Amino acid sequence: SYELTQPPSVSVSPGQTARITCSGDALPKQYAYWYQQKPGQAPVLVIYKDSERPSGIPERFSGSSSGTTVTLTISGVQAEDEADYYCQSADSSGTYNLVFGTGTKVTVL
Amino acid sequence: QVQLVQSGAEVKKPGASVKVSCKASGYTFTSYDINWVRQATGQGLEWMGWMNPNSGNTGYAQKFQGRVTITRNTSISTAYMELSSLRSEDTAVYYCARGQYSSGWYLDPWGQGTLVTVSS
Repeated sequence: SYELTQPPSVSVSPGQTARITCSGDALPKQYAYWYQQKPGQAPVLVIYKDSERPSGIPERFSGSSSGTTVTLTISGVQAEDEADYYCQSADSSGTYNLVFGTGTKVTVL
Repeated sequence: QVQLVQSGAEVKKPGASVKVSCKASGYTFTSYDINWVRQATGQGLEWMGWMNPNSGNTGYAQKFQGRVTITRNTSISTAYMELSSLRSEDTAVYYCARGQYSSGWYLDPWGQGTLVTVSS
């Protein structure tokens, strides 16, 4: 089955930049979406179509894509950004079969 | 505002079934798909399947084929996810989420989650 691979953890100091990668063979053909999940809460969409930001999401969240890797960047990290982050996409067939990444814990030092 | 409100926590015995509800408000229920995702404690997100509330069409992840059924009652804007033959590994928080399409499928917003505990 199709897999999306993320680093288990990323640590960053307040005000610095956090970059979270997500790798998958179908990413050159399929868009990626990113979710933030804080403890005890439901996930929240923070990036769609690789790099688009939903309304209400701070500008410090951005996304990019290059080949088989997509990246979520948090610029000027704040303490409130400490959370788990998941990428999501679909396999190369493009069918309605969603796949989530393994998840990355962002720790603000 | 768009909101999905799920039913409360459940405790089930192995072999039983559970049915979780998801009531939509703030938008036209039949205009967007409903998806179900689960998360075991300390683990990642796992997509289970989708339903088109207008047609009733469904699709399920291969892992759950034959064990999960997603239905709806359009008169009360509510979707349901039923999981059968429960085992301890099914203990998880189950989320419903509205499916949207923009050159690809994604989920926004999500319900608050329903904890299902499977224990003898």
